[in-house]
Amino acid sequence: DTGVSQDPRHKITKRGQNVTFRCDPISEHNRLYWYRQTLGQGPEFLTYFQNEAQLEKSRLLSDRFSAERPKGSFSTLEIQRTEQGDSAMYLCASSASGSSYEQYFGPGTRLTVT
Amino acid sequence: GENVEQHPSTLSVQEGDSAVIKCTYSDSASNYFPWYKQELGKGPQLIIDIRSNVGEKKDQRIAVTLNKTAKHFSLHITETQPEDSAVYFCAASSKSHASGGSYIPTFGRGTSLIVHP
Repeated sequence: DTGVSQDPRHKITKRGQNVTFRCDPISEHNRLYWYRQTLGQGPEFLTYFQNEAQLEKSRLLSDRFSAERPKGSFSTLEIQRTEQGDSAMYLCASSASGSSYEQYFGPGTRLTVT
Repeated sequence: GENVEQHPSTLSVQEGDSAVIKCTYSDSASNYFPWYKQELGKGPQLIIDIRSNVGEKKDQRIAVTLNKTAKHFSLHITETQPEDSAVYFCAASSKSHASGGSYIPTFGRGTSLIVHP
């Protein structure tokens, strides 16, 4: 396992459609994070899982957004009824519970809503 | 909540020169400060970090300093090389009891470093 992987790398969708992204963390990491990054900005925290439990959600995570990590391994982030303002890079990161400081990021999924 | 300011937004240097990026934060409870390097089309990569019980940390050509009293921290890159060209992000975070003991960082807006050969 060489790192965090995300799929797809790019997604173009029309406004109003639903999209789902997948993140596979580093295998021994039990903490998983989702961030959103827009052009010229740093990553903004969306939500966080420890194993399968979703422990924290940002106020940025509107009702149209939902994230799951059903078996404590991979995670999915779904956006319903996409809007043009959802266009961004969606980043996933993972960390180990024993070393709760360092987070390792995946390559991201670039979402474009037309 | 935490607010992180990062300067400059763009930094252009000649190969071999030093580069310094500065950040300030607002929450005195923050005690972990990572720095990330992000290349075009890739996710951020952790390059160095510092915790509040340490004032300075060095790793080869990269060093970070932290002044908790003034709430600012800096990244220093010496002998810059063209492959150092990227966007660098600072972040500040504290341990959140609401999040199972993890650290949720607040990022600065990034510094685009350009190293000219």
